[in-house]
Amino acid sequence: EAGVTQFPSHSVIEKGQTVTLRCDPISGHDNLYWYRRVMGKEIKFLLHFVKESKQDESGMPNNRFLAERTGGTYSTLKVQPAELEDSGVYFCASSPDRGNEQFFGPGTRLTVL
Amino acid sequence: GESVGLHLPTLSVQEGDNSIINCAYSNSASDYFIWYKQESGKGPQFIIDIRSNMDKRQGQRVTVLLNKTVKHLSLQIAATQPGDSAVYFCAEGLLQGGSEKLVFGKGMKLTVNP
Repeated sequence: EAGVTQFPSHSVIEKGQTVTLRCDPISGHDNLYWYRRVMGKEIKFLLHFVKESKQDESGMPNNRFLAERTGGTYSTLKVQPAELEDSGVYFCASSPDRGNEQFFGPGTRLTVL
Repeated sequence: GESVGLHLPTLSVQEGDNSIINCAYSNSASDYFIWYKQESGKGPQFIIDIRSNMDKRQGQRVTVLLNKTVKHLSLQIAATQPGDSAVYFCAEGLLQGGSEKLVFGKGMKLTVNP
């Protein structure tokens, strides 16, 4: 069974540009989560989808970040416009039910210059 | 690598020794706790979890202890192997209404010397 996949693995963009990160959860997992770790900090929760609905987006840093999960399958996280402080590693995770193990993807390393 | 810029506490042990990694958490309302292992270039990988109504749980070569009185969590790895070298994170699991989130600790880098 394929694990959680994320694309791209690395992205280098300039300040002010737009970047879209993609996450494909494990097939059949209704719960999808986004996390990120910015330089020198802990991994922080961004938001939680149940199917296509945003269950909790309390961790989204500001309105430059937009997450979608149309159709309840893969999810995208768009940063527009990107700022220097957005640099870090963005992780996606999925789980079949709340309270179950969250399976993490390998992450997307975002560098904003 | 991913750890550039992160000044993680480090634990070095000899192969075959037992390792203990500690974690302090802050939220007494956490529903469960998890230990994750992260190798370079990969995402966090689940090791073991423990529900908040338990104080000990054992897996294969690993034991997690939970002390809710002092809000302390530990991971014990028996007979540590070079393949155990990684960064270890504890996380609190919070179930609130229909939502769920993990709150991660800072992490500790474990180095196993052959």
